[in-house]
Amino acid sequence: EAQVTQNPRYLITVTGKKLTVTCSQNMNHEYMSWYRQDPGLGLRQIYYSMNVEVTDKGDVPEGYKVSRKEKRNFPLILESPSPNQTSLYFCASSLGPAGYEQYFGPGTRLTVT
Amino acid sequence: DAKTTQPPSMDCAEGRAANLPCNHSTISGNEYVYWYRQIHSQGPQYIIHGLKNNETNEMASLIITEDRKSSTLILPHATLRDTAVYYCIVRTPQAQKLVFGQGTRLTINP
Repeated sequence: EAQVTQNPRYLITVTGKKLTVTCSQNMNHEYMSWYRQDPGLGLRQIYYSMNVEVTDKGDVPEGYKVSRKEKRNFPLILESPSPNQTSLYFCASSLGPAGYEQYFGPGTRLTVT
Repeated sequence: DAKTTQPPSMDCAEGRAANLPCNHSTISGNEYVYWYRQIHSQGPQYIIHGLKNNETNEMASLIITEDRKSSTLILPHATLRDTAVYYCIVRTPQAQKLVFGQGTRLTINP
């Protein structure tokens, strides 16, 4: 089954404790991206990747890092999480840029205390 | 990027057609109209997209006016599972991100 998986689905952590949210797709998609969703602000792009070893900032990259060492994986790294990064995070993948059909993961709900 | 305007909420009876409007009066010639939906807090789901001709797939139909300044997403026989927030997005195919507005919260009533 074609899918985008994210882990963990739920995470409660404390300020400053490094964490990684994994994202994996099994569709051989070149394009992957991360969004966060906050009430009243909608979905905003954090980072995107056009292909392996090619990543670029989205609208809200501060406090986040990403890497794309393999085509299927695009982890989101929070080196020193802060409470303002409490949010619902979605990973997405597609054959090409955002104009192609985007496949979204199920989401990761992160709470930073 | 063209701005879109959608009603914040709509209701529809189960089994009836749900017609969701979207205004995009500043759309440019190379921009497509995309529709996604988000059921509760799940990941957004692609529905359909089009440039200027009407489009239909197994989920929905998309009607774009001749001047392309507005469009309507039609769910022909709405079910309770169609209750979701529907987003109308205008982008070029080469865009690096989708810009989600507030969307329309569609409630299907039994």
